[in-house]
Amino acid sequence: GIQVEQSPPDLILQEGANSTLRCNFSDSVNNLQWFHQNPWGQLINLFYIPSGTKQNGRLSATTVATERYSLLYISSSQTTDSGVYFCAVEGASGGYNKLIFGAGTRLAVHP
Amino acid sequence: GAGVSQTPSNKVTEKGKYVELRCDPISGHTALYWYRQSLGQGPEFLIYFQGTGAADDSGLPNDRFFAVRPEGSVSTLKIQRTERGDSAVYLCASSDGPLSEQFFGPGTRLTVL
Repeated sequence: GIQVEQSPPDLILQEGANSTLRCNFSDSVNNLQWFHQNPWGQLINLFYIPSGTKQNGRLSATTVATERYSLLYISSSQTTDSGVYFCAVEGASGGYNKLIFGAGTRLAVHP
Repeated sequence: GAGVSQTPSNKVTEKGKYVELRCDPISGHTALYWYRQSLGQGPEFLIYFQGTGAADDSGLPNDRFFAVRPEGSVSTLKIQRTERGDSAVYLCASSDGPLSEQFFGPGTRLTVL
């Protein structure tokens, strides 16, 4: 099945710093979502982005489907950005309608 | 409107017992999914419903796990003869159709003693 790899696995930032999280996937996808899992375990939708670029406040994301990767940019990070960021994809061939998650990037933002 | 809700938020049971976990999807969403998340890992797919029928149950680990969605809205995940390895957070998600954005509930944390 499709493989999803996220990097880096762990990231420590000072408040105000910028960062880029990467998601590589091994096959064509019909859907790609970025989530933030907060310390209480809730998965919060950040972007639904099977291709192209989107921005929402301090966050933006770009998916280059032909090269099988997506990037999540966090600018001017805040302590509330701490948590785990997951990339999840729905494969285009077989096994669609299920999200396959990466292992996540654990982000800690210190004041 | 209201998001996906799940009950109970926490469930502690003893090995060998039967448990039921409930999911209320976003109103009008026809697709419903169950996932399981173990500590330190990403969620893993269990089962997908489109309407009342289970369209894909390939993620259920064994025949102790079963899920229903009799009226195409609320779903119940049922686990028989629970084992300590079943301890995890069980997440439910819904979407307004296949290949659409999925929205997750807060999860049920299951602990099997």
